[in-house]
Amino acid sequence: QKEVEQNSGPLSVPEGAIASLNCTYSDRGSQSFFWYRQYSGKSPELIMFIYSNGDKEDGRFTAQLNKASQYVSLLIRDSQPSDSATYLCAVNSAGYSTLTFGKGTMLLVSP
Amino acid sequence: NAGVTQTPKFQVLKTGQSMTLQCAQDMNHNSMYWYRQDPGMGLRLIYYSASEGTTDKGEVPNGYNVSRLNKREFSLRLESAAPSQTSVYFCASITGAMNQPQHFGDGTRLSIL
Repeated sequence: QKEVEQNSGPLSVPEGAIASLNCTYSDRGSQSFFWYRQYSGKSPELIMFIYSNGDKEDGRFTAQLNKASQYVSLLIRDSQPSDSATYLCAVNSAGYSTLTFGKGTMLLVSP
Repeated sequence: NAGVTQTPKFQVLKTGQSMTLQCAQDMNHNSMYWYRQDPGMGLRLIYYSASEGTTDKGEVPNGYNVSRLNKREFSLRLESAAPSQTSVYFCASITGAMNQPQHFGDGTRLSIL
């Protein structure tokens, strides 16, 4: 049973701060890692994806992957109230056609 | 470019009624997925179709059936709706390469009384 774990939150940060969202996964064969953002009542939308150990930056977002520790994180710099949403971590294992999603972390950015 | 289109957006059913949720994608994707999302439970996979002509069960398939009608369309059927199937249903698609992200439709909000 592949598992993806996230703290449910809410994670509260002030505007302008760095928000750090974390995700651990159980399957060492996992190869692709995705972060989705989901606003209340809306569908998930892709924020970042990462395949290799290390950091990947895209604007205010940085994804970090550590396969040895089975850990992936998303950093949001200069957090804005519009970043307030639930962030879903999703993982794909080699040879499988499906993603396993975590239950999501709610982020609240206060003005 | 519509992406992934789900119909209907909202539906209320009575226990025991049947209905079909429709999903269509215009991105020439090979793989399509049906998820349900309940509060505190995250996204759970119901069924998926890795390619046209194939379907497989996901984590929570009981009470559902699917049809991959063609490459574009993947429908989800509730034969005898139960209150436990009240949920938000999302359809998603992907090219077929699993290192690519899934694209989601806007969802169907289904209530069963």
